[in-house]
Amino acid sequence: GQNIDQPTEMTATEGAIVQINCTYQTSGFNGLFWYQQHAGEAPTFLSYNVLDGLEEKGRFSSFLSRSKGYSYLLLKELQMKDSASYLCAVRDLDNAGNMLTFGGGTRLMVKP
Amino acid sequence: DTEVTQTPKHLVMGMTNKKSLKCEQHMGHRAMYWYKQKAKKPPELMFVYSYEKLSINESVPSRFSPECPNSSLLNLHLHALQPEDSALYLCASSQDSGDQETQYFGPGTRLLVL
Repeated sequence: GQNIDQPTEMTATEGAIVQINCTYQTSGFNGLFWYQQHAGEAPTFLSYNVLDGLEEKGRFSSFLSRSKGYSYLLLKELQMKDSASYLCAVRDLDNAGNMLTFGGGTRLMVKP
Repeated sequence: DTEVTQTPKHLVMGMTNKKSLKCEQHMGHRAMYWYKQKAKKPPELMFVYSYEKLSINESVPSRFSPECPNSSLLNLHLHALQPEDSALYLCASSQDSGDQETQYFGPGTRLLVL
C-alpha cells in the first residue's frame, strides 16, 4: 500500500510564493499527480511527475525526487483564487489499472 | 474539451429510497471511475470501469451498484443507503486505465441520506 503525507493547512500572502510538500512511501511508484480542489467542487488536474525533476506550468511548478519519496508543488505570485485544497496523489504499479491513492490534502489560505 | 458531467448536483434521499447518479463524458475515454469524498477528506476510489467492464471494486457495499451502459456513460445505483453514506460522489474518466493517463473529474453529486 501507500502512505502519503502532506501538511494539513498552510497560509500565505497574496503575491508571495508557497511550497506544498508531499512525501510518500510506495512499493512500486508509477507517477505522482497534483490536483487543486476548491471547496464543494471537483478536483482539477494540475500536474504529473513520473521522472525526477521540475515540471513548470505557468505559475505552478511540481518537483519530484523518487529516491527521497518526495514531491512539492510550488505556487508563485499567489492570487486569492488560489485558496483551495491541494491534493497529492500517487499511482502504484502494485495497484491494478490506473488507481490513484490520495493524500489528505493541504488547505491553502491566501490572505491579502 | 476535458468535461465530465454529473447529475444531479444535489440529492437528498431516505434510507428506503432507490436513486441513481449519472456521469457522462464525450472525450472518448475508455476508463471511468467512481470516488466517494467525505468533508475535508481525500477522494476514495470505489469502482473502476475499463472498456465498459468493471475492473476494480474496492470492497464497496452492495447497496452501491455501478453500471456502464456504454463507453460514455457511468451510473451508480443507490439502494437502502445509510446516513454515513452522505458524501460527495465524484466521477472521473481517463483515456484508458493504463499508465501515464490523467484522470479528469466531474463536478460531483452531493448526496445526503436522511
